[in-house]
Amino acid sequence: NAGVTQTPKFQVLKTGQSMTLQCAQDMNHEYMSWYRQDPGMGLRLIHYSVGAGITDQGEVPNGYNVSRSTTEDFPLRLLSAAPSQTSVYFCASRRGGEKLFFGSGTQLSVL
Amino acid sequence: QQQVKQSPQSLIVQKGGISIINCAYENTAFDYFPWYQQFPGKGPALLIAIRPDVSEKKEGRFTISFNKSAKQFSLHIMDSQPGDSATYFCAASRNSNSGYALNFGKGTSLLVTP
Repeated sequence: NAGVTQTPKFQVLKTGQSMTLQCAQDMNHEYMSWYRQDPGMGLRLIHYSVGAGITDQGEVPNGYNVSRSTTEDFPLRLLSAAPSQTSVYFCASRRGGEKLFFGSGTQLSVL
Repeated sequence: QQQVKQSPQSLIVQKGGISIINCAYENTAFDYFPWYQQFPGKGPALLIAIRPDVSEKKEGRFTISFNKSAKQFSLHIMDSQPGDSATYFCAASRNSNSGYALNFGKGTSLLVTP
C-alpha cells in the first residue's frame, strides 16, 4: 500500500492563479481531510469528507474548494491564490477508528 | 478559537532526560486525545493516544497522563534520545454523526541534545 499520496510536493504560484492539490489514498478510508500547517499555528483543518459525495468545512475553509467523487481521491482547489495561502498542506485519511494517516505534504508558495 | 492549548512552544532536553509537553482543552465533549510526532519534511504520525476512561497510558518510553477534572493531558518522554527530536502535536476530538475532526495544538519543537 502506498498510503496517502499527495502531489505535487512543491508548487509556486502567482497571486490570482488557481490550482488543484491532489490527494489519493489506497486504504479504502471513508474519511479524508485537508490541513494547512503554518509556523506557530499548528495544523488547521480546511475541509473534510466522510465519504464519496459528502464534504464539509473545517476551521479555515475560505478560498478553498473540495469535492469527493470517489473514495480514493480528495482534491483541494485554490480558486484564486493569495499570499496568505502560502503554507504546507497535508491530506489525511482514516477508516473507522481514530488513527489519522497523513501524506507527506505539499509546500505551496504564493508570490 | 484555539480548542487545544499546548505548551511549551519549544523544549531542549539533554539525552537521557525526561521531556514533558502539556495540553489543555475546554470542550468536555472531547473523548479522544492523541499525540502526533512530526519529523522535518514529513507528515505527522500517530505516536500514542488515550481516552478519558483511563488516567495514564504507556507505550515504551512514551506516556500520556490524563486529568479529566482539570481538562489537561501531557506527554512524557522518558530517557529522551536525539532521535526523539521532532515536533509534537497534541490533539483532541469528539465523535459525531458527521464525522469528527482532530483539533490540534500549535505544536512543541523538541530538541534532544547529545
